[in-house]
Amino acid sequence: DGGITQSPKYLFRKEGQNVTLSCEQNLNHDAMYWYRQDPGQGLRLIYYSQIVNDFQKGDIAEGYSVSREKKESFPLTVTSAQKNPTAFYLCASSRQGAVSNEQFFGPGTRLTVL
Amino acid sequence: DAKTTQPNSMESNEEEPVHLPCNHSTISGTDYIHWYRQLPSQGPEYVIHGLTSNVNNRMASLAIAEDRKSSTLILHRATLRDAAVYYCILRAYSNDYKLSFGAGTTVTVRA
Repeated sequence: DGGITQSPKYLFRKEGQNVTLSCEQNLNHDAMYWYRQDPGQGLRLIYYSQIVNDFQKGDIAEGYSVSREKKESFPLTVTSAQKNPTAFYLCASSRQGAVSNEQFFGPGTRLTVL
Repeated sequence: DAKTTQPNSMESNEEEPVHLPCNHSTISGTDYIHWYRQLPSQGPEYVIHGLTSNVNNRMASLAIAEDRKSSTLILHRATLRDAAVYYCILRAYSNDYKLSFGAGTTVTVRA
């Protein structure tokens, strides 16, 4: 089945530690996205990538880093510089090149920093 | 980016229609209107999108006002599985097709 996988579903880390969230897609999509969601709020864009080896900052990129070495993978690192990292993180992908292309979302990773 | 305004919440009875309004008075001519919904503890899923004409698909219908300053998502017969947060989003080539999510409308369906 084609889709997006995120792992793990729940993640606990101590304050001050970097943590990397995994996102893999087998939809052959060029574009991939990372969003953050806090309780009761909408999603906010962290980073996005339209092609391999290229990515752009979204609205809240501070304290996060990404890489796009393969088309299928877009890992997100939450660094110790992120002041409030506890949140629900969602990865998405889409075909590139048309405003009508829908984004497909993964199931999310819930990160809790203790 | 052009913004959208939605009611915070709406309630419906099962098997009745649900009409979800969205105001987007600053919409530009190249903005598409997209709707996504998010079930509890899941990622959002695409519902429907349109530019000027009304649109129908297996999930819902989208009615777009003639001046495009507002639109309405219509769920024809609500089921308990339709209980979710519904997001109305404007999407444009000018901003790299990014989706900007507001708080959305929380839909509750009563059995």
